[in-house]
Amino acid sequence: QQPVQSPQAVILREGEDAVINCSSSKALYSVHWYRQKHGEAPVFLMILLKGGEQKGHEKISASFNEKKQQSSLYLTASQLSYSGTYFCGTGTLGYGGATNKLIFGTGTLLAVQP
Amino acid sequence: DGGITQSPKYLFRKEGQNVTLSCEQNLNHDAMYWYRQDPGQGLRLIYYSQIVNDFQKGDIAEGYSVSREKKESFPLTVTSAQKNPTAFYLCASTPTAYNEQFFGPGTRLTVL
Repeated sequence: QQPVQSPQAVILREGEDAVINCSSSKALYSVHWYRQKHGEAPVFLMILLKGGEQKGHEKISASFNEKKQQSSLYLTASQLSYSGTYFCGTGTLGYGGATNKLIFGTGTLLAVQP
Repeated sequence: DGGITQSPKYLFRKEGQNVTLSCEQNLNHDAMYWYRQDPGQGLRLIYYSQIVNDFQKGDIAEGYSVSREKKESFPLTVTSAQKNPTAFYLCASTPTAYNEQFFGPGTRLTVL
C-alpha cells in the first residue's frame, strides 16, 4: 500500500540534475511532494492532481502518469539548499470523491555537495 | 500569522505514563492529521479528522487516541498501550483534498 520511491539515496554535485520516482499499486487521485530537512517539518513542493492540474513552486517540476500510477520529481541545476529527504504522498479516491488521506513513501535522501 | 503550532518541542516521559501532544491551527482548515516518524522512515498516519467531532484511524492507531472538539485543535494522547512510543510526531492540516498539507514543527517524544 505504501508507495515505493526510487532511488533511496542520491549524491549530486552542485549544478547537476536528479529525478526521484514514486510508484503506487493503487489508483491515484493526487501525488504530493515534500522535502524535509533533519529534525524539521516537511515543506511542500508540489501537488499533482488527476486530470493534469498542478500546484507548486516555480523552480520545481514534476510529472504524474495516471495510468502507470507513477510520479517523478525533477530537480535541475541543484543547489546546496536542495539537500534533504524527499517524500511523495499519494491520495486515492474514496466513496464520495477524493479523500483527504495521504500515504507517504519511505523517502529519498538527496545530498548536494559543493 | 497563520500556522500550526505543536507543543512541546521535546517531551520526556516514563514508561507506562500517558502523554498528550498538543496541535493547534489558526488556518481555518477542516482536516487535521497526526503522523509518526521514526529515524530513516517516512511518515505513517496515526489518526485524521475531516470535520469537528469526527475522526478516523490511520495505519498505526493502536495505542493512540485523539479528540476533535474544536476546529482549531486536534490533541493526540499516547497511551501506555503503545509498545514503542519514542518517535517524532508531526501534526498537519489542509483545507481540502486538493490542497497541500501544512505541517507543524513536530514534537520529539522520548519514553525512558
